[in-house]
Amino acid sequence: NAGVTQTPKFRILKIGQSMTLQCTQDMNHNYMYWYRQDPGMGLKLIYYSVGAGITDKGEVPNGYNVSRSTTEDFPLRLELAAPSQTSVYFCASRGLAGGPDTQYFGPGTRLTVL
Amino acid sequence: GENVEQHPSTLSVQEGDSAVIKCTYSDSASNYFPWYKQELGKRPQLIIDIRSNVGEKKDQRIAVTLNKTAKHFSLHITETQPEDSAVYFCAAILTGGGNKLTFGTGTQLKVEL
Repeated sequence: NAGVTQTPKFRILKIGQSMTLQCTQDMNHNYMYWYRQDPGMGLKLIYYSVGAGITDKGEVPNGYNVSRSTTEDFPLRLELAAPSQTSVYFCASRGLAGGPDTQYFGPGTRLTVL
Repeated sequence: GENVEQHPSTLSVQEGDSAVIKCTYSDSASNYFPWYKQELGKRPQLIIDIRSNVGEKKDQRIAVTLNKTAKHFSLHITETQPEDSAVYFCAAILTGGGNKLTFGTGTQLKVEL
């Protein structure tokens, strides 16, 4: 299993540009999450999904959108990039229903908005 | 919702000494408590976890203790080594009910030679 994969690894955007951060997991996990981590700070939840077709807002959803059309994929969309969105973005997945609770993180996407 | 507080924010120890990081949680229903280690520029990785039906769990040099009455849990690292230097995050969740891990703010551990 590849686990949780993210693309791209690095990206530089100009203010106002848009992009999609990709996240895929091959563990058949129900739950998927998007976090952002600013330098020297903790993890802040942006959006999460409890299964295909179901998404919900986390702590800091403004400026982002998500979709979950399949169990495997959970892309994060930035529509109008702003400097405040400069951060490292981690995707994570957790658990089968009734199964282990361990949450696995992807390698991250380092985004800079100039 | 759940709130997790973590202390200290930074911790410096000499190689070979022990390190202890403490977390408190607010929701008495939380029943799963993982600890993550994040090295510089890397993803958080699970190092140990504990469930509410267990008071202590050990894995080689690391151990976690849980006090449900006081709603706090701690990470203990013995015989620290330079490679233990990293940021450590605690987290809490009610599995099967709430779906979101609530993370602590992290502890920067530095093991000095």
